[in-house]
Amino acid sequence: DAGVIQSPRHEVTEMGQEVTLRCKPISGHDYLFWYRQTMMRGLELLIYFNNNVPIDDSGMPEDRFSAKMPNASFSTLKIQPSEPRDSAVYFCASSLGRDRLYEQYFGPGTRLTVT
Amino acid sequence: AQKVTQAQTEISVVEKEDVTLDCVYETRDTTYYLFWYKQPPSGELVFLIRRNSFDEQNEISGRYSWNFQKSTSSFNFTITASQVVDSAVYFCALSEAGSNYQLIWGAGTKLIIKP
Repeated sequence: DAGVIQSPRHEVTEMGQEVTLRCKPISGHDYLFWYRQTMMRGLELLIYFNNNVPIDDSGMPEDRFSAKMPNASFSTLKIQPSEPRDSAVYFCASSLGRDRLYEQYFGPGTRLTVT
Repeated sequence: AQKVTQAQTEISVVEKEDVTLDCVYETRDTTYYLFWYKQPPSGELVFLIRRNSFDEQNEISGRYSWNFQKSTSSFNFTITASQVVDSAVYFCALSEAGSNYQLIWGAGTKLIIKP
């Protein structure tokens, strides 16, 4: 299996620009998670989906952040407009079914730098 | 209140030494899950183990072993005969049954194995 795929791996953008991060979960996994990792705050869960439906977005920091999952094999996390404090590594993870929900498999991450 | 404590910020040992990474958790749930993840310098998060609250059996996988003790709310991770490739940040995490499957992460322990 290819594992969770994220793109781009690195993104450098200027403040105010729109940023779109992409994720392809492991085929057959029905839960998808977006995390943000920073030195100050560690790993934070932003939002997660079940069967393409957002279940809990309480971790999304503000309205500038939005996430979608139009189908089972694709999700996006968008930041508009971006700010320097959004600089972080963004991880996507997926897991299979209720019984194995807790075993989350992570993608390689997208390192976002906002200047 | 922090629910997962990894008191060791950084550990440095010489190759072939044994090393134990500590994890102490706090929960009021009777059903919960504990995890260890590895984050090597390349940045991805690698799932290592899941243990549920009803299973206090220790687990061994090659040079890795885990000691789960409910009496002390600890889930420690030992690497035997450490190798340079074990150098990484190791995260302990907790998921409570009623938590919408969120993983509560420890701050991580950076393990440095010197040749």
